[in-house]
Amino acid sequence: DAGVIQSPRHEVTEMGQEVTLRCKPISGHNSLFWYRQTMMRGLELLIYFNNNVPIDDSGMPEDRFSAKMPNASFSTLKIQPSEPRDSAVYFCASSQTGPHYEQYFGPGTRLTVT
Amino acid sequence: DAKTTQPNSMESNEEEPVHLPCNHSTISGTDYIHWYRQLPSQGPEYVIHGLTSNVNNRMASLAIAEDRKSSTLILHRATLRDAAVYYCILRANDYKLSFGAGTTVTVRA
Repeated sequence: DAGVIQSPRHEVTEMGQEVTLRCKPISGHNSLFWYRQTMMRGLELLIYFNNNVPIDDSGMPEDRFSAKMPNASFSTLKIQPSEPRDSAVYFCASSQTGPHYEQYFGPGTRLTVT
Repeated sequence: DAKTTQPNSMESNEEEPVHLPCNHSTISGTDYIHWYRQLPSQGPEYVIHGLTSNVNNRMASLAIAEDRKSSTLILHRATLRDAAVYYCILRANDYKLSFGAGTTVTVRA
């Protein structure tokens, strides 16, 4: 298996632009997570999907952020409009459902908003 | 969430064991102890987890105190590839992983 795939790996955009990050989870995994990592706040969970349904979006910073999972093999995280403070590394992770299954993380997307 | 306390950093020589401590004095009976690590410029990766008994896998060993208020991750022979940030996480009977600051491990050649 190729693992969790994220694209793009790097994104540089100007303030106010729309940004879409993409994730392909590991086949057979029905839990998907989006995390954000910054120096100031560390790794934070943004949203959790189970069987394509958002279960916990309490970590989504504000309405500018939205996430979708139209099918079991694809998810997007969208920021519209983007702001400089959104600059961070965004990770997608997937796992089988259950508290004892490890989460497999993708390589991340490094977002820079100027 | 129950909290964990780890040293900010540790150094080791290559091919020597590394013992990474973690304190979790407020752990509840259903919390599992998970360890993840994050190599430079990569996403976190799972290392090991346990509940009460010591655990071994190909990457590391996990020693859990009898009262479960502390645990130690043991890397038996550190290599340069083991240089990473190691996170000790208490995981309740759900999906959440709450990452703290972790311990930055440096391995000297």
